[in-house]
Amino acid sequence: DTAVSQTPKYLVTQMGNDKSIKCEQNLGHDTMYWYKQDSKKFLKIMFSYNNKELIINETVPNRFSPKSPDKAHLNLHINSLELGDSAVYFCASTSDYHPGEQYFGPGTRLTVT
Amino acid sequence: GEDVEQSLFLSVREGDSSVINCTYTDSSSTYLYWYKQEPGAGLQLLTYIFSNMDMKQDQRLTVLLNKKDKHLSLRIADTQTGDSAIYFCAERRAAGNKLTFGGGTRVLVKP
Repeated sequence: DTAVSQTPKYLVTQMGNDKSIKCEQNLGHDTMYWYKQDSKKFLKIMFSYNNKELIINETVPNRFSPKSPDKAHLNLHINSLELGDSAVYFCASTSDYHPGEQYFGPGTRLTVT
Repeated sequence: GEDVEQSLFLSVREGDSSVINCTYTDSSSTYLYWYKQEPGAGLQLLTYIFSNMDMKQDQRLTVLLNKKDKHLSLRIADTQTGDSAIYFCAERRAAGNKLTFGGGTRVLVKP
């Protein structure tokens, strides 16, 4: 029943490792996003895909690579994790009809030690 | 967000009204939004206003938009303890699917 789901909810890993976060939406939306929320709750967009095509790519290190196998899924792979990557990562989705009405997942709290 | 600013914190007594303020810089903003984030959860859309409107009311929520001053506010009437959360305003510009969020206002409702 969950509209936008993310796995895992928590991820603790060491510097230098590679990890992936997955997102799925069952709302039939065309556009999906990845956001990063830092410890001060500041929310910054990272990427957006529309029907599997990358449409927003903010200034993000190329260690971050999004992949959208189909329009219901958007994954985020992070190589060579650094301490500064520790944050909560949110996936969101929206329809083309009203792009500002975004549905957010519960977040993945990533801690890099 | 550099282009969207909010005050950091608001404390209010249960039953009183809360007013959360937001300023933005881009005059091409078409829609402006208010999202709520409860602890440990993702953001949830509360309400939005189109840029050619001055006011929108939705039950306990009233959104006021002063387009000339690029100022947006959210008033919550009869604030309840369940309203304690972080509130984000966001703007959507004329083209594209991107939202620019403010830094969030943490609202604490005291009994």
